[in-house]
Amino acid sequence: AQRVTQPEKLLSVFKGAPVELKCNYSYSGSPELFWYVQYSRQRLQLLLRHISRESIKGFTADLNKGETSFHLKKPFAQEEDSAMYYCALTDQTGANNLFFGTGTRLTVIP
Amino acid sequence: NAGVTQTPKFQVLKTGQSMTLQCAQDMNHEYMSWYRQDPGMGLRLIHYSVGAGITDQGEVPNGYNVSRSTTEDFPLRLLSAAPSQTSVYFCASRPLDREEKLFFGSGTQLSVL
Repeated sequence: AQRVTQPEKLLSVFKGAPVELKCNYSYSGSPELFWYVQYSRQRLQLLLRHISRESIKGFTADLNKGETSFHLKKPFAQEEDSAMYYCALTDQTGANNLFFGTGTRLTVIP
Repeated sequence: NAGVTQTPKFQVLKTGQSMTLQCAQDMNHEYMSWYRQDPGMGLRLIHYSVGAGITDQGEVPNGYNVSRSTTEDFPLRLLSAAPSQTSVYFCASRPLDREEKLFFGSGTQLSVL
């Protein structure tokens, strides 16, 4: 069975400081991994996916198969980055359902 | 273009009552799903559907029923509400072969007393 672990429920950083949100996964096959973000009073939305290997809003995430990790990083945090972040994976079988981690609430302190 | 529309936004039920959470999408998406969001638990998949007439169970299906009579609608039914079903419920839809194109509704906050 697939599992996504986000060890930090809460994370606070100062504006301008680097931020790293941790995500580890367990899955027997080759998962597809995503980061979703939920800003205050907004809908959950896709931030980035590992296949695209792109940077969105300054965030990047690299899939490390050896460590089974997909940590989200940004070199300089901004106040508008404050949000709930979810790591997720699809099971790559049948419907490719999305399975989420427990989420990390990031607060960027001015 | 409304996207994914959920109604109601808020609901309070008494234990044992039944209700239906509505979800509609206007993007002609084959795939639709329901999640519940609980503090410390993240989002957990309740039920999903890959097309009209097809539904299947997710991680936490007990206490919930779904049906998919049309492509647009995917209602979630609570037959006998329990306090453990107090949660925020999200509906989502996407094209069947585009898992990165998952669009979420704005959520329904349900309290069961």
